[in-house]
Amino acid sequence: EADIYQTPRYLVIGTGKKITLECSQTMGHDKMYWYQQDPGMELHLIHYSYGVNSTEKGDLSSESTVSRIRTEHFPLTLESARPSHTSQYLCASTSSSGANVLTFGAGSRLTVL
Amino acid sequence: GEDVEQSLFLSVREGDSSVINCTYTDSSSTYLYWYKQEPGAGLQLLTYIFSNMDMKQDQRLTVLLNKKDKHLSLRIADTQTGDSAIYFCAERKTGANNLFFGTGTRLTVIP
Repeated sequence: EADIYQTPRYLVIGTGKKITLECSQTMGHDKMYWYQQDPGMELHLIHYSYGVNSTEKGDLSSESTVSRIRTEHFPLTLESARPSHTSQYLCASTSSSGANVLTFGAGSRLTVL
Repeated sequence: GEDVEQSLFLSVREGDSSVINCTYTDSSSTYLYWYKQEPGAGLQLLTYIFSNMDMKQDQRLTVLLNKKDKHLSLRIADTQTGDSAIYFCAERKTGANNLFFGTGTRLTVIP
């Protein structure tokens, strides 16, 4: 049973709209991540956070922004969606201890027309 | 190389063994992972191995680690149609708090 939740699962939206992808986890994890997954399957890290009020950009440049006001919540926002933003967005979290196993949400598939 | 590399596709017959290979980048990576992704879903952890181990077995899954060659493999015994999915290997590089993923291997199991 997943303890990390993403909404919406699917979103089809027109160019220029503002969208927010929600991600919440109930495991008390301090570290959270957003990955963008290409149609060809490869995952790219676009944002991460090591705790409240801490956010960093990942390896892949993204026009999206994130915030971390509460430990359990890590939303991703696109101010003006474009067709190039069409992708699968995966949220993940982990604790700071042990093997740092990432727990993933089910993903949000965004299509921008 | 700088990327975690995997073959893109693998097809096996039901009941046979599957071996998915991965070459990672950092010889001092502390943990290496295998994740499974089914259609329309997120990634699910299958297993992980600490870098001081050569092998780890968990039911039908066997992970082999060759640190010298930076090579990781996942063997699935008695492969079933439900094993059809994309399999990702990932490494946690020294000093990094995120994981670096391979390109994924799409496993197709033929009945």
